[in-house]
Amino acid sequence: DGGITQSPKYLFRKEGQNVTLSCEQNLNHDAMYWYRQDPGQGLRLIYYSQIVNDFQKGDIAEGYSVSREKKESFPLTVTSAQKNPTAFYLCASDGLGENQPQHFGDGTRLSIL
Amino acid sequence: AQSVAQPEDQVNVAEGNPLTVKCTYSVSGNPYLFWYVQYPNRGLQFLLKYITGDNLVKGSYGFEAEFNKSQTSFHLKKPSALVSDSALYFCAVRDPYSGAGSYQLTFGKGTKLSVIP
Repeated sequence: DGGITQSPKYLFRKEGQNVTLSCEQNLNHDAMYWYRQDPGQGLRLIYYSQIVNDFQKGDIAEGYSVSREKKESFPLTVTSAQKNPTAFYLCASDGLGENQPQHFGDGTRLSIL
Repeated sequence: AQSVAQPEDQVNVAEGNPLTVKCTYSVSGNPYLFWYVQYPNRGLQFLLKYITGDNLVKGSYGFEAEFNKSQTSFHLKKPSALVSDSALYFCAVRDPYSGAGSYQLTFGKGTKLSVIP
């Protein structure tokens, strides 16, 4: 079955540590996205990529970094500069058409130890 | 800039009754509108979309939505609610005329639907 796989499901970060969240898709989608979800705040866009080796900042990119070396993969690194990283992180993809819905993975919940 | 508002944080409805989850939007051109559902600790699942054409859009699990251009609204509806419909619902808008990054979706803050047995 085609879909988006996020791992791990749960992740804990120590003070001063960088952590990387994995996102892999087998939908052959060109575009991939990372969102942060906090209770009562909806989804906020962190980064997005429309093509391999290119990505753009979203609304809340500070303290995060990404790479897009392969079409299928779009990992997100939460750096030590992100002082409030506790949240639910969602990865999505779509086929870059204007009428294309985004497809979502099942998320990674990040907490501070 | 595009934006979307979901005016109700929570909606409670009795099982078997019709349900409505409200959404209003703001875009500079013609909007592309989407509804998603999220169950606890899961990702968002696509329910339906409005691109053009009929103002009443039918989607998954018996849901439908009515597009109203004059009121800039796109309310989600279901004739008879099920307990299993209890979840978090998100409305999203895309403005294809917004230039760079115009494939981005802007999401509302979500509405928690509780269906009471």
